[in-house]
Amino acid sequence: GENVEQHPSTLSVQEGDSAVIKCTYSDSASNYFPWYKQELGKRPQLIIDIRSNVGEKKDQRIAVTLNKTAKHFSLHITETQPEDSAVYFCAATSGSQGNLIFGKGTKLSVKP
Amino acid sequence: EAGVTQSPTHLIKTRGQQATLRCSPISGHTSVYWYQQALGLGLQFLLWYDEGEERNRGNFPPRFSGRQFPNYSSELNVNALELEDSALYLCASPPPGRYYGYTFGSGTRLTVV
Repeated sequence: GENVEQHPSTLSVQEGDSAVIKCTYSDSASNYFPWYKQELGKRPQLIIDIRSNVGEKKDQRIAVTLNKTAKHFSLHITETQPEDSAVYFCAATSGSQGNLIFGKGTKLSVKP
Repeated sequence: EAGVTQSPTHLIKTRGQQATLRCSPISGHTSVYWYQQALGLGLQFLLWYDEGEERNRGNFPPRFSGRQFPNYSSELNVNALELEDSALYLCASPPPGRYYGYTFGSGTRLTVV
């Protein structure tokens, strides 16, 4: 079945710097790759997603890139702000199934 | 539009007991996904229900089971509770006919003592 690896597990940056989180997946049939942000004590919220027919997608300060050949995708956050501090999860569809398989998460800390 | 609702918010059970967790998807959404979020383990896929049927299940023992009702709400049952079942249980609801764009509920915090 699908396996999603996420790195790093923790990331600390200074306010204004960029942050990059990387994920790899194992199932070449996976075709949808969302990213979720989970603040302490809250539910995960979808922040951006990309489908397998697209290589890059951007939404203001966040962007996601996908390399299907290498089976990896990345989240890029530019001009980080303290409110970006949270745990970020990547996910991939489990092949042709509808359920998502999640990475173990990255705890991002943005220091003012 | 009402979001995904889960109940109860918190549940405390004794080892060996049974727990029942409930989820109502967004109105008009027919699929419900259940995930377990244990400390440090991310979100582990448990069960997927669509149109009243179980479509897929994750790598969990049979004591984790559930069902989906005609109104598309769902119930997760955990029998013979073990201490390691303590976790946040999240329910997610995608738009009809699509598996992407999950919206999560606030979850049920299950504590087994």
